[in-house]
Amino acid sequence: SQTIHQWPATLVQPVGSPLSLECTVEGTSNPNLYWYRQAAGRGLQLLFYSVGIGQISSEVPQNLSASRPQDRQFILSSKKLLLSDSGFYLCAWSPRTVKRSDEQFFGPGTRLTVL
Amino acid sequence: KNQVEQSPQSLIILEGKNCTLQCNYTVSPFSNLRWYKQDTGRGPVSLTIMTFSENTKSNGRYTATLDADTKQSSLHITASQLSDSASYICVVSGIYKAAGNKLTFGGGTRVLVKP
Repeated sequence: SQTIHQWPATLVQPVGSPLSLECTVEGTSNPNLYWYRQAAGRGLQLLFYSVGIGQISSEVPQNLSASRPQDRQFILSSKKLLLSDSGFYLCAWSPRTVKRSDEQFFGPGTRLTVL
Repeated sequence: KNQVEQSPQSLIILEGKNCTLQCNYTVSPFSNLRWYKQDTGRGPVSLTIMTFSENTKSNGRYTATLDADTKQSSLHITASQLSDSASYICVVSGIYKAAGNKLTFGGGTRVLVKP
């Protein structure tokens, strides 16, 4: 069966510090991968998605970036965090096939607090 | 613009009572609609999925309905339990969007079940 991991689970960082969140998927190959952010009491906002190694699509202009160095690894980064980057970050994967690409499975999330 | 709106934003119900959550969408052309349950601090988990031709779908005490003509869906929770306390997210998939980005998320309804 497929599993998706995220770490760290929680993170407290000062403003201006760098960020690296990691997501890995097991039990499947060639998945579509996604990063979402959820502000407190708000809906999910799609940040990035990737349909393959090195292929990143950005949905929202911001100071965040994403990379996919391996097929089942997705990394969310920032060089300098802002207060507004605080939130709950969710990684998700979906099967590559067009028919099932909207069937997304979410990771446990990372709670980021920027002080 | 594709939108998914949920109501109410939040509700409080007594344990054992029933409740109904609403979802209205403008996504077109429509592919399918999912209801997710998100426990606090966790990733969303899929409850039901409904395609254009399906009017109702059950998953235990959760029953989802879909009216594709009026573009409305509801999620009914029967005999609520304390473990039903969570946010419920309506997610609609369109047909012709890029393979990696088909979904439109609602803002969620936060349900609190009290003993």
